[in-house]
Amino acid sequence: GENVEQHPSTLSVQEGDSAVIKCTYSDSASNYFPWYKQELGKGPQLIIDIRSNVGEKKDQRIAVTLNKTAKHFSLHITETQPEDSAVYFCAASKSGTASKLTFGTGTRLQVTL
Amino acid sequence: GAVVSQHPSRVICKSGTSVKIECRSLDFQATTMFWYRQFPKQSLMLMATSNEGSKATYEQGVEKDKFLINHASLTLSTLTVTSAHPEDSSFYICSASSGGLGDEQYFGPGTRLTVT
Repeated sequence: GENVEQHPSTLSVQEGDSAVIKCTYSDSASNYFPWYKQELGKGPQLIIDIRSNVGEKKDQRIAVTLNKTAKHFSLHITETQPEDSAVYFCAASKSGTASKLTFGTGTRLQVTL
Repeated sequence: GAVVSQHPSRVICKSGTSVKIECRSLDFQATTMFWYRQFPKQSLMLMATSNEGSKATYEQGVEKDKFLINHASLTLSTLTVTSAHPEDSSFYICSASSGGLGDEQYFGPGTRLTVT
């Protein structure tokens, strides 16, 4: 089955700096890659996703890049703010009728003032 | 759009009793719902996948007789933890997907279960 690795496990940046979180996946058939933000005691919130037919997608301060050949994808957050502090999870799945997601292990992002 | 609710948000029960958790998609029809559990500082672990009107598919190692899942309508799925034990204490989260070409899963806020 699919295996998703995520790095780093913790990341501390100063407000205004950029943050990058990286994930690798094992199943070359995976073609849908969402990123979720989870705040303490809450459910994950979908913040951005990318499909394998594109290499990059951007939404304001958040961007995701995908390298299908290397089987890795990354989340980029620019101009970080304290409210960006949370745990971020990457995931992968094969497109279809509500396919199962395989999650990475999570990255705890701390944005300091 | 794409709002998923869970009820209750927190529940405390005694060992040996059963607890039911509801998951509702509020503004879309969910052909498929997923149930996850999450231990502190860990990732989400998929327990089962449920499709409306059919039996749930459980992940390896998840006891189907202990974690009863019912997906009676396109907007409601329930998870019942039967004969709960302290080791069942966890954060249970559901997600819903409208299926088709949409792979997006939208998560509920989670239910914190504590078994005493």
